[in-house]
This record gives sequence, C-alpha cells and structure tokens, in this order.
Amino acid sequence: DIQMTQSPSSLSASVGDRVTITCQASQDISNYLNWYQQKPGKAPKLLIYDASNLETGVPSRFSGSGSGTDFTFTISSLQPEDIATYYCQQYDNLPRTFGQGTKVEIK
Amino acid sequence: EVQLVESGGGLVQPGGSLRLSCAASGFTFSSYWMSWVRQAPGKGLEWVANIKQDGSEKYYVDSVKGRFTISRDNAKNSLYLQMNSLRAEDTAVYYCARGSYRWEYWGQGTLVTVSS
Repeated sequence: DIQMTQSPSSLSASVGDRVTITCQASQDISNYLNWYQQKPGKAPKLLIYDASNLETGVPSRFSGSGSGTDFTFTISSLQPEDIATYYCQQYDNLPRTFGQGTKVEIK
Repeated sequence: EVQLVESGGGLVQPGGSLRLSCAASGFTFSSYWMSWVRQAPGKGLEWVANIKQDGSEKYYVDSVKGRFTISRDNAKNSLYLQMNSLRAEDTAVYYCARGSYRWEYWGQGTLVTVSS
C-alpha cells in the first residue's frame, strides 16, 4: 500500500497568514493526488484534484502543487471559514489512501 | 442537484451484520463508479470499497475483504454495503461517494457502532 505522510498534523495561524501543508507519498504517484477539506461533523469536500487543479467553485486562495512523491497544499490568506482538517489522498494504486490529516486552527 | 443519502447504520454486536444503503439522485447513477469511505471517531479517512458502473469490478481494502460486500442496483439508483462479522474496529461513519478515485460528491454519512 502507498503510505501518505502529511505534515504538520496540526497548525495554528492568524487570519491572513499563508498556510502550507505537505504530503509525501511512499512511492512515485505522478500527479495522482487530491486534497480535501473536512469541517467537524461534515463530509469531506474536494478542493484540489490531480495535484494542482482547483475544483469548480473553490476559492482561488487554495492551491496545490507537486508531483512524484512530494506535494504541497497552500492557503494564500487564511480565512476564519478555513478552519478544518485537510487531507491528501492518492489514487495511483489501490487501495486509495489518505494522509492522516492536518488540523488548521486560528491563532 | 446531486444527492447521496446513506441509511442503515446503527448499533450492532461484534460478529453481527449490517447492510448500509446509499440512495443517489440528480445524476445518471449507472454511469459512475461508486465508493464507500469510512471514518472512525476522531480519526482520519479510510477508503473501504468501490464498484464499477455495471457491478462487474469490485475492490476492497484488505481489512474488510471477505467480510464486506459492495453492490449496486442501477434500476433503483442505489449503492449497498453488506457488512458481516463486524468488529469493534469497524466502528465509524460510513460515507458513500461518487467516483472511483476522485470524490466530488459525498453523502452525509451513517454511523455504525460495533459494541456489546
């Protein structure tokens, strides 16, 4: 199975800050990576697909980059409504696997 | 509007069985792979299984192979997950999601609790 390692596991930042989350795959997954946002008690929401493509309707402050084994997810200017847990997910192979999540909080 | 509505969750004893359902609407159900993804309380997301449009291909995470069966009824626009020999570690919110590898649409989830 492909292991997805996210860091940090949690972070605290101020409104307006730039926030960066990294995701490392245990093997080359090309760009077969998605990013999701999950708020408490809610289903996950797809934000970024194929590593860098913004899902329709998602604010442009969210972005993704990377390929191979190393990926980055960025919120360019953190907003109060971005408080959530973020997950990366690979689909190069079965089983589909997720990172352990990064909880983002407001400082 | 795409809608996925899960049902069938509840409290079950270890070793017991449960059948989850997911009613789909707002899209051509028979044209899409479908998946089940679960989340244990306070934990991360785990893909469980997926099924091809016509049901001819099914895939499972190792931890549920031989115990869970994914199926679908395209005439009823419904997805199912038959769960047998349930264990405490199967306790989770179970989501159905549209697609095989990228999930734009999710249901609200149904909670399965395995406990004596």
